[in-house]
Amino acid sequence: QKEVEQDPGPLSVPEGAIVSLNCTYSNSAFQYFMWYRQYSRKGPELLMYTYSSGNKEDGRFTAQVDKSSKYISLFIRDSQPSDSATYLCAMSAGTSYDKVIFGPGTSLSVIP
Amino acid sequence: DADVTQTPRNRITKTGKRIMLECSQTKGHDRMYWYRQDPGLGLRLIYYSFDVKDINKGEISDGYSVSRQAQAKFSLSLESAIPNQTALYFCATSDLSRGPIQYFGAGTRLSVL
Repeated sequence: QKEVEQDPGPLSVPEGAIVSLNCTYSNSAFQYFMWYRQYSRKGPELLMYTYSSGNKEDGRFTAQVDKSSKYISLFIRDSQPSDSATYLCAMSAGTSYDKVIFGPGTSLSVIP
Repeated sequence: DADVTQTPRNRITKTGKRIMLECSQTKGHDRMYWYRQDPGLGLRLIYYSFDVKDINKGEISDGYSVSRQAQAKFSLSLESAIPNQTALYFCATSDLSRGPIQYFGAGTRLSVL
């Protein structure tokens, strides 16, 4: 079993739809959870960053963490064509020398 | 200008050739990383460095070497390139004060024929 699993998609939605992206993980030591967005031919850029369980909202984006289920989600409201990208979840146990483990990414297309 | 700069952006080489990918950063971060990205496999860590005198192997270091020439520069070398090293390579940086957040360059697309 991989440490972090993510459905690769591709996921295609109409403009304005609510998008749900998800990752599961196996390492209960993970405490820091991130979502990165990667546009074609670009490097990943941080989108959302949460610590431990709970929700975090930033504009149209909401990140949820359920540590009891080892499950994290990213919701995008009122999706826009500019949201078309690959979304990578990433996790870390968070001590000074712990590495970040990335999911394989979900490819999202928002159709105008 | 980009905070994390990778050169070259694209490279085609032949099997057996030595190739170096370079990364420089203006963020002032101590920690630097090299990843490769393959479809369906995501980002996999090749090497990482927590400061100039510290070099550590990642999960897929075989066939690669690195050099940390300065706080701002971290190079990745393929001593004898092989076709299965064809991939997208990313350099990243982080700062201990920002926890695990990493900042990525734009990537180098490498093809080994």
